[in-house]
Parts: sequence; structure tokens; C-alpha cells
Amino acid sequence: DAMVIQNPRYQVTQFGKPVTLSCSQTLNHNVMYWYQQKSSQAPKLLFHYYDKDFNNEADTPDNFQSRRPNTSFCFLDIRSPGLGDAAMYLCATSRERGVVDTQYFGPGTRLTVL
Amino acid sequence: AQTVTQSQPEMSVQEAETVTLSCTYDTSESDYYLFWYKQPPSRQMILVIRQEAYKQQNATENRFSVNFQKAAKSFSLKISDSQLGDAAMYFCAYRSTQGAQKLVFGQGTRLTINP
Repeated sequence: DAMVIQNPRYQVTQFGKPVTLSCSQTLNHNVMYWYQQKSSQAPKLLFHYYDKDFNNEADTPDNFQSRRPNTSFCFLDIRSPGLGDAAMYLCATSRERGVVDTQYFGPGTRLTVL
Repeated sequence: AQTVTQSQPEMSVQEAETVTLSCTYDTSESDYYLFWYKQPPSRQMILVIRQEAYKQQNATENRFSVNFQKAAKSFSLKISDSQLGDAAMYFCAYRSTQGAQKLVFGQGTRLTINP
């Protein structure tokens, strides 16, 4: 089945140690999003790619970066994770940006920072 | 900036009964989209139902329906004939028609179904 896949599902890292989360999609969607969802809070958009065009949210910390080497893959890099970065990270895709398209979510990666 | 508020952190309902989840939002825009997403435990978030603000008719999807009150900026979700599989966190979300397709989520309501 076409879907949004996130690896790993659970990631443990040490304070300050760079970590990369992965998202892939078989939907051939143009838009990919990264959301951060802290415990008992609403998901919050960090950034999104429309094709190769990167769009950062104004309040996304510089500690968070993203790469999209091709249509199928998108990575979230956290350069120096702090305790406050422990969260569920959700990847989502949508077909296009200018129309009302459903966003399809992956299962998320739960990041623990020790 | 738009905000979405879900005032019920937790709700419970007996199986086969009806439950309504509340959502209010704040926006200065006249055209926008509203969504309810379901996030089962340890599973991905999936779309339950969506509503275009320009449509007066309330959206329905099988057992799920909404009560969209544009003037009151209210968007509640009604689940009829609740089933055990409906147990999940439910998020109300807003999306502008302008710019990026950014979803602004509420805090979520955890729904428990009692057998």
C-alpha cells in the first residue's frame, strides 16, 4: 500500500548528539511536512518542502534542519538535541500546495533525549 | 495568527452511544478549511472529516458528522453509534486558503469507549 513511512519509530539520543530522523513516501506527493508533537500538546509545524523549495516556520529553532534529496525522502536533522526537543516527530505529505489536499501522516518517531 | 481550542482534554462514552467533541477557533479570514483528525494509540493520524468554510451544509462521513457554526467559530464532531475502534486522540485543525498548507491543531481530546 502507498504510505508514509518513518524510521526509526523510536530514537534515543544523548544531549547534544546530532540525530537524523527519516521519512519516506510512496504517494509521489509534492509536499512534505515535519511536525513536532510534545507530550499532551498539539502538533506544531516545523517546516515543509514544496518539491525542493524549503519553507521554514518563523519560530522553528535553528537547531532543526531538513533535507529532501528526492521526491520520496525527507530528513529531519537535529544538530544539538536538548532535553526540550524530546517529542514525537510527525512527517506528513500532500499532493499539492495550492489545493485543499488531505495531509497523510506517518506513524511518527518518538525521540528521547538523555 | 489562527488558534484552535479544544476544551475537553478527555471524554468517554459507552459503546453504541453518541458523543460530541468540541472545537472552537479564532481567525480573521472568511475562507478556510477545518478538519478532524484521529490519532489511535501508536498509530498514524488519519483524516476523519473536513469542512470548507464557504459551505453551509455540515459535512458527514458515515457515523461522523460535524456541526459547523461559522459565526460562532465552532466546529464540533459528533460520533454516532460509538465503536471500540473509535478510541483515539482526536484533533481539530484549521487551514488557511492562503500560503502554505499549514495545519493549526488544537490540543486534542482523548476519547475512551467503554464496552
